[in-house]
Amino acid sequence: DGGITQSPKYLFRKEGQNVTLSCEQNLNHDAMYWYRQDPGQGLRLIYYSQIVNDFQKGDIAEGYSVSREKKESFPLTVTSAQKNPTAFYLCASSMPTGRGAFFGQGTRLTVV
Amino acid sequence: SQQGEEDPQALSIQEGENATMNCSYKTSINNLQWYRQNSGRGLVHLILIRSNEREKHSGRLRVTLDTSKKSSSLLITASRAADTASYFCATDAGPGANSKLTFGKGITLSVRP
Repeated sequence: DGGITQSPKYLFRKEGQNVTLSCEQNLNHDAMYWYRQDPGQGLRLIYYSQIVNDFQKGDIAEGYSVSREKKESFPLTVTSAQKNPTAFYLCASSMPTGRGAFFGQGTRLTVV
Repeated sequence: SQQGEEDPQALSIQEGENATMNCSYKTSINNLQWYRQNSGRGLVHLILIRSNEREKHSGRLRVTLDTSKKSSSLLITASRAADTASYFCATDAGPGANSKLTFGKGITLSVRP
């Protein structure tokens, strides 16, 4: 089955730790996105990538980093510089403009 | 910055009634999309309307786009309890390097059985 997979579903981070969220897609999509969702805030764009080895900052990139070494994979690292990382993180992928995006099921990150 | 602004923020209707949700945006777009999210899950794409289209249908969904007013509406006809979810509009300024999806804060729809 083609789809987009995020892992893990739940993640707990201690203060000062970096953590990496995984996002893999087998849809052969060029574009991939990372969003953060907080209650009442909707989805805010963290980073996006239109092509392998290239990515751009979204609206709230501070404290996050990404890589796009393979078309299928777009991991997100939440660094210790992100002061309020507790949130629901969503990864998405899409073909070039004109098609809808497919979303993963999300990773809920909690700082303990 | 969030491009789309949906209203109302919350909507509660009886099963069988129609649900109308609105979205306004600020800058030029290539297309506008509507998504649905069930609690704690990922988003599901519902329908896409291009900037040169005015109306589009898909099953019980009808979406309109007025680029002069920078607004869109999503109509769900004959609603069902299973339609209970959050609905988001997203704009794409694309194509190419400009292509990125920007979402609004969403509308919570409750359909009472």
